[in-house]
Order: sequence, then structure tokens, then C-alpha cells
Amino acid sequence: GNSVTQMQGQVTLSEEEFLFINCTYSTTGYPTLFWYVQYPGEGPQLLLKVTTANNKGSSRGFEATYDKGTTSFHLQKASVQESDSAVYYCVLGDRNSGTYQRFGTGTKLQVVP
Amino acid sequence: DPKIIQKPKYLVAVTGSEKILICEQYLGHNAMYWYRQSAKKPLEFMFSYSYQKLMDNQTASSRFQPQSSKKNHLDLQITALKPDDSATYFCASSQDQTNTGQLYFGEGSKLTVL
Repeated sequence: GNSVTQMQGQVTLSEEEFLFINCTYSTTGYPTLFWYVQYPGEGPQLLLKVTTANNKGSSRGFEATYDKGTTSFHLQKASVQESDSAVYYCVLGDRNSGTYQRFGTGTKLQVVP
Repeated sequence: DPKIIQKPKYLVAVTGSEKILICEQYLGHNAMYWYRQSAKKPLEFMFSYSYQKLMDNQTASSRFQPQSSKKNHLDLQITALKPDDSATYFCASSQDQTNTGQLYFGEGSKLTVL
């Protein structure tokens, strides 16, 4: 079945450091991959979305590239700010299998000044 | 202004009681969902509705019953509450029933069962 794996439970960085969050997925169909971000006291909100057609997405300085060979969808940002502190979820959808978006376990990013 | 309204934001219940979580969306979407987030598990899909019809149910227990009185409403009734039901319940919506479109979430209803 479809699944998403985020191995990093928490990442702590200083401002202006490089961010890299791992995500791998498993599906038998045609994935659409998302990164959602959740700030304290709020629901998740879409950060970026990538399909097999466009392979790469970016938003607010964050980038993610879909790699079919390694079934990975890592999130990167060149220089983080304290305001980026939040929980980041890698999410899998598949138009040919499954009826709902499957969330990874989330990676809590803490950026210290 | 919030486009998805969830009520109440916080609630405390005793074991064995019943509660209803309210969700209304003002985005004009056709599909609505419930997800649950607890300390022990990641964000879990519970139900999806499209045009007021149940499309998917991944909840093992019949104690959880969604109710849709209008296209933009999807309430969640929980009966015979247990401490393990303690979680934040998120309502979400999307333009159509698809798992490839953007989900919009409410702010959640945090339920504590004593």
C-alpha cells in the first residue's frame, strides 16, 4: 500500500543554516507529493506540491524535488529563519490508488536565533 | 477570516460521554474530511465526504459518526468516549474528492477525555 516515511523527528538549526528534511514514499501508482507546514495552534497548510509532470516545486524559499528512482521527496531551504520553526509533513496522494492523502510522521523544525 | 470554522476549539469530556465536533467551510468546496492528530500517532485520515456522501471511512470504530446536514457542513459525533480518543481533530476540505488536490484545514478541536 501507499506509505510515507520521515525519519527525522526533530531538527534544530541556527538562523541562516541550510535545511534538509528527508522523505521517502512508496506507491504503486502515480504520486502527487506535498509538503504541508503546521504552525503551533493551527492546522496544516500547503507549502508546496509536485506531480510527476513537473518534478520540482518551490515556495517561500523552500524547494522539493521528486525523484522517482530513489522514491524520495526531500525538502530543502538554503537559509532558515526563526519564523520557519514549525512541523513539516511530507504527504502522498495518488490519483490511481487510495482515496485520501497520507501524511508522514512530521519533522519538527526549531530555528534558534 | 478563517474559511473553515471548527467548534469548539477545546473541550473536555468524561469517559463514556458523547460529544459532537462542528465543522463548516466557506470555500465552496465539494469535499470535506476529518483527520485526527494525537501525541502517539501522526495525522490520521478518518473520513471523507463528497457532495454530502461518505466516500471513505478509515476509522475502525463505529463510535465515530460523521454527519453532513449541508454541503458545507461535516460534523463528527463521538460516542462512548475513551481516554484514547484524546486528540486534536482537524476538519479539512478540497475543491473535489481527490487525493491530489490541496487540502485546507481548520484550526482543530482539541478533545481531552478524562
